[in-house]
Amino acid sequence: DAGVIQSPRHEVTEMGQEVTLRCKPISGHNSLFWYRQTMMRGLELLIYFNNNVPIDDSGMPEDRFSAKMPNASFSTLKIQPSEPRDSAVYFCASSPGQGQYGYTFGSGTRLTVV
Amino acid sequence: GNSVTQMEGPVTLSEEAFLTINCTYTATGYPSLFWYVQYPGEGLQLLLKATKADDKGSNKGFEATYRKETTSFHLEKGSVQVSDSAVYFCALSDSGEKLVFGKGTKLTVNP
Repeated sequence: DAGVIQSPRHEVTEMGQEVTLRCKPISGHNSLFWYRQTMMRGLELLIYFNNNVPIDDSGMPEDRFSAKMPNASFSTLKIQPSEPRDSAVYFCASSPGQGQYGYTFGSGTRLTVV
Repeated sequence: GNSVTQMEGPVTLSEEAFLTINCTYTATGYPSLFWYVQYPGEGLQLLLKATKADDKGSNKGFEATYRKETTSFHLEKGSVQVSDSAVYFCALSDSGEKLVFGKGTKLTVNP
């Protein structure tokens, strides 16, 4: 298995632009998680899905952020409009659906908003 | 609610030194416990885990024992290498889907 695949690895965009981050979870994993990591705040859970349904989006910072999972093999995290304070590394992770198995993380997308 | 407390870093050691990174937890029930490692520029990787009391997880020379009586899961390695320099995260899972992570401990090993 290729693991959790995220794209792009790096994204530099101007303030006000729309940014879309993509994630392909491991086949057969039915839970998917989006995290944000910064030096100041550490690792933050933004949203997670189970069987393609959003279960908990309480970590989404504001309405500028949205996430979708149209099918079991693809998810997106969109920021519109982007702001410099959104600069961070965004990770996607997937799991078989029960926490005892742990998560598999992707390599992350480093987003810089200038 | 569930929580994980890790020792604050950064931790700086010389090569071949003994490593301990403390982790304690608060949880209802009987959680599973994990250590993840994040190398520079990479995502988090599962290092080891334990799913019940007195279990010992081990991998790459690292060990941690699930201690229910002290609600702890301390990470240890007998002889660290420069390549072990990374950030280490302790985490727990109750019966649900989410993991609760500690804040991470940065380890630097000098030659």
